[in-house]
Amino acid sequence: QVQLVQSGAELTKPGASVKVSCKASGYTFTDYSIHWVRQAPGQGLEWIGRISPNGGDTKIISKFQGRVTMTGDTSISTTYMELSSLTSDDTALYYCARELYTTKWCKSFDLWGQGTLVTVSS
Amino acid sequence: QSALTQPASVSGSPGQSITISCTGTSSDVGGHNYVSWYQQHPGKAPKLMIYEVSNRPSGVSNRFSGSKSGNTASLTISGLQAEDEADYYCHSFTSRTTPYVFGTGTTVTV
Repeated sequence: QVQLVQSGAELTKPGASVKVSCKASGYTFTDYSIHWVRQAPGQGLEWIGRISPNGGDTKIISKFQGRVTMTGDTSISTTYMELSSLTSDDTALYYCARELYTTKWCKSFDLWGQGTLVTVSS
Repeated sequence: QSALTQPASVSGSPGQSITISCTGTSSDVGGHNYVSWYQQHPGKAPKLMIYEVSNRPSGVSNRFSGSKSGNTASLTISGLQAEDEADYYCHSFTSRTTPYVFGTGTTVTV
């Protein structure tokens, strides 16, 4: 079954870090980029960044530069996103998503993880 | 990075057609054909409904169609059904330093 399965919910304190995992199955992990998107409670979707199939290249938006690290472990088909210096504004559902490829990269996301709720509270 | 502009809500009766607009700029929606649409039911992950302005992924009903004119993209749902009640987000590749932007989201009520 083609799917992305994310790690469980996290409750963490301001100033701490959190690392969310995204495990792929049912397809060749190294053939696709993985993107990360977050959704604050009751709010819309926000693109955070992406990591290339082999993990060698990342693109992270400026507001998260220095706070977000994306890595991958091809041996277990898993991508990680670590977010540091957490504040209450980082409380959100974090999704990983696969970029669609037909005959070329389509810059859209055809497969999503179930989401990981990160709650930042003292 | 400003989000693309969508109406907050759209409603329709079963069997009717509705259209959701998504307005951006020449740096995103109007600059290329990488516009997509996602459906999100409460408590669920988004689902890709349309990619590259008007293409439907395998398994998506042909009641969903997409189009674009200038800086505005549109999603039309025809033959509205109760199961279409959800939030819908447009999404575009951009030529800015932030390569992707989502719309503000539209709640569809049937």
